Amino acid sequence: EVQLVESGGGLVKPGGSLRLSCAASGFTFSSYSMTWVRQAPGKGLEWVSSIRGDSSYIYSADSVKGRFSISRDNAKNLLHLQMNSLRAEDTAVYYCARGWSSISWYIEYWGQGTPVTVSS
Amino acid sequence: DIQMTQSPSSLSASVGDRVTITCRASQDIDIWLAWYQQKPEKAPKSLIYGASTLQSGVPSRFSGSGSGTDFTLTISSLQPEDFATYYCQPYNTYPFTFGPGTKVDVK
Repeated sequence: EVQLVESGGGLVKPGGSLRLSCAASGFTFSSYSMTWVRQAPGKGLEWVSSIRGDSSYIYSADSVKGRFSISRDNAKNLLHLQMNSLRAEDTAVYYCARGWSSISWYIEYWGQGTPVTVSS
Repeated sequence: DIQMTQSPSSLSASVGDRVTITCRASQDIDIWLAWYQQKPEKAPKSLIYGASTLQSGVPSRFSGSGSGTDFTLTISSLQPEDFATYYCQPYNTYPFTFGPGTKVDVK
């Protein structure tokens, strides 16, 4: 069974940093692309960043470029999102998601999400 | 950048109704479009990829069609568990921006 469990969310002040992690199990982690999607309170889904199975390709939304960095540790089955220079508008539930293959960006499975609140 | 629109933004329907949601891309994305369902306070669920291929386990009352810039999600006979918000997303054209969503609620 595919499982994606996010952690690392919480309350952080504007300008601060946070590192989200996603522990994956139930599949060969390195064989799938991974994605972070977020959802601000009462708003729709916003794609944040995606990474290929071998980390050869990384894409990020303009809204987080230069501030957020996606990475993965295939030996430990972990996906990370390093978030720096956080703003109030980054407040959201952050979902970890698995792609359909190493090179496909279609999201097949979703984690349950971890909330991030940026507030002073 | 590619822009996605959905219509309507919301609709009210009854159990048993046929429901159609439209998604439009600002540029040709071939068939590389996915549909997702999200219920309140829950993680999204993947429904359709390749514009028309049902994700494993998704009931056959859901169907998708379209190619290029215009796509449709149809629920042939709405069930109580289908009241939710539906999002489309292109997944082969950067940025992978979701549509704004269509909320389906009870009439």
